[in-house]
Amino acid sequence: DAGVIQSPRHEVTEMGQEVTLRCKPISGHNSLFWYRQTMMRGLELLIYFNNNVPIDDSGMPEDRFSAKMPNASFSTLKIQPSEPRDSAVYFCASQLQGEAKNIQYFGAGTRLSVL
Amino acid sequence: GQNIDQPTEMTATEGAIVQINCTYQTSGFNGLFWYQQHAGEAPTFLSYNVLDGLEEKGRFSSFLSRSKGYSYLLLKELQMKDSASYLCAEGFQKLVFGTGTRLLVSP
Repeated sequence: DAGVIQSPRHEVTEMGQEVTLRCKPISGHNSLFWYRQTMMRGLELLIYFNNNVPIDDSGMPEDRFSAKMPNASFSTLKIQPSEPRDSAVYFCASQLQGEAKNIQYFGAGTRLSVL
Repeated sequence: GQNIDQPTEMTATEGAIVQINCTYQTSGFNGLFWYQQHAGEAPTFLSYNVLDGLEEKGRFSSFLSRSKGYSYLLLKELQMKDSASYLCAEGFQKLVFGTGTRLLVSP
């Protein structure tokens, strides 16, 4: 299996611009997670979906952030407008809900720099 | 709320044994995970404990005491490639991660 695929791997943008991060989960997995990682705060869960339905978005920082999962094989995380404090590595992870160990498999991440 | 504590950094030498501790405070316990993350890469799953005791998997073992809110990851026969950050996390689907322990293995 190709694993969780994220694009782009790197994104540099200017403050105020819209940023869209993309994720393709592992085929057959029915849960998808978006995380943000910074030196100061570590790895934080932003939102997760089960069967394409958002379950918990309490980690989404503010209304500038939105996430969608239109089908089982694709999700987006959008930031509009972007700010320098959004600079971080954003990870997507997928999981087969109900599997014994509840393992989340992470993509390679998108490193976002907002100037 | 939830709180996960682990040391920021540890050093060890090749061939040695190192124990990375993690304490957690949660309103309800659902499971304790350890992930490994090499610099610039994604976290990868190492272990999962939901019952008290020791789980052994090759050179890596993980221990859990639910009554003490405590876990540790034990790495034996350290290799240079074990230099990485080790993340402790608690939860079921909604995981709360510690800030990670950066382990540096020297020759």
